[in-house]
Amino acid sequence: GAVVSQHPSWVICKSGTSVKIECRSLDFQATTMFWYRQFPKQSLMLMATSNEGSKATYEQGVEKDKFLINHASLTLSTLTVTSAHPEDSSFYICSARNRLAKTSYEQYFGPGTRLTVT
Amino acid sequence: QKEVEQNSGPLSVPEGAIASLNCTYSDRGSQSFFWYRQYSGKSPELIMFIYSNGDKEDGRFTAQLNKASQYVSLLIRDSQPSDSATYLCAAYYGNNRLAFGKGNQVVVIP
Repeated sequence: GAVVSQHPSWVICKSGTSVKIECRSLDFQATTMFWYRQFPKQSLMLMATSNEGSKATYEQGVEKDKFLINHASLTLSTLTVTSAHPEDSSFYICSARNRLAKTSYEQYFGPGTRLTVT
Repeated sequence: QKEVEQNSGPLSVPEGAIASLNCTYSDRGSQSFFWYRQYSGKSPELIMFIYSNGDKEDGRFTAQLNKASQYVSLLIRDSQPSDSATYLCAAYYGNNRLAFGKGNQVVVIP
């Protein structure tokens, strides 16, 4: 149980284009999903928290107009990197919190999406 | 800024030995702490969490928490080659949010 998938697992795009990454909770409903970014040999940095049916909450320094997040259902959240630039190349990881979780910190991570912008 | 520090460089241990990892955190209000294991190119997987002072054991893993010193550690006993990975320390700081350290790489030498 508690499986989170991400699609695509890797993507290469040209500078200036937009890329959409999907995060799905496969066997549970996720009221909250989190988007992280991880640069090589660096820690996971929380970008935003998305709650089903409402606007995402972005961390300080993260441009909400560049990283569009949609959490339209209890099992799907999407992150769209708009007008991507080479500095956006990173490992993007989502995590999801089970609606029925007893603890507020319980999160399940997806396998990640490797984005390379050329 | 909620900070979690893991300052040690790569740790090499022989198979069967104990690996010891340390982590400090800046927010005294943090109550819950987590250790994740991350294989190269993969997402983190939760190993243990701890929220009470003292030790918590789960199989070959022992987490230790000292809130007065704002210090968390992880011991891996009888280290196996499959334990070779990066270990991330994380602190919960409310609103479902976790702050992660940079991680410590562990290499278990057969």
